[in-house]
Amino acid sequence: DADVTQTPRNRITKTGKRIMLECSQTKGHDRMYWYRQDPGLGLRLIYYSFDVKDINKGEISDGYSVSRQAQAKFSLSLESAIPNQTALYFCATSDPGTSGTHYNEQFFGPGTRLTVL
Amino acid sequence: DAKTTQPTSMDCAEGRAANLPCNHSTISGNEYVYWYRQIHSQGPQYIIHGLKNNETNEMASLIITEDRKSSTLILPHATLRDTAVYYCIVRVANTGTASKLTFGTGTRLQVTL
Repeated sequence: DADVTQTPRNRITKTGKRIMLECSQTKGHDRMYWYRQDPGLGLRLIYYSFDVKDINKGEISDGYSVSRQAQAKFSLSLESAIPNQTALYFCATSDPGTSGTHYNEQFFGPGTRLTVL
Repeated sequence: DAKTTQPTSMDCAEGRAANLPCNHSTISGNEYVYWYRQIHSQGPQYIIHGLKNNETNEMASLIITEDRKSSTLILPHATLRDTAVYYCIVRVANTGTASKLTFGTGTRLQVTL
């Protein structure tokens, strides 16, 4: 079974609809992230969370919100979807390490392809 | 975080070594060099990282110049499955503030027969 799962894998919706993308992980990591990727571009960070009580905005958080329901679950919501939110969305996790050194190794889910019409 | 510069694309024949360069001339002393790759539309995958010494693992080798202003990722025997976009990322070690990564546009490596 995959360590980081995302649901749904594909979604087509209409402008103005509320959409929730879900991410679950079995790696036991405290840190979770949401990225979006547009064609031909690198990944851009939307939100990140260091633990259940910690939520931080990334570089492109406008139009999005998140919920960290548990250590293993991190959801991304689009309250009122718009066409320019059409993109590939990735969830990722990481572990800060136990010895003070960490490697910024993030583990990514398979992605959710979202189309907003 | 230091900015990185990578070629947009590269080709490599299957079985040959693929050498992917990255310039990071403004790197600070406490910044690591990380490499990730993304196979078409899949989530990025960690490959390797280093601070100043050369590193090798089962996937690749990382050569960092002595002045640390550039590095090269080496895939010793490229296969068709190595066709992907390769991202070079420079990042400080965990400061407790964030371990978020900044992905640029990377190098698209095409491995051919």
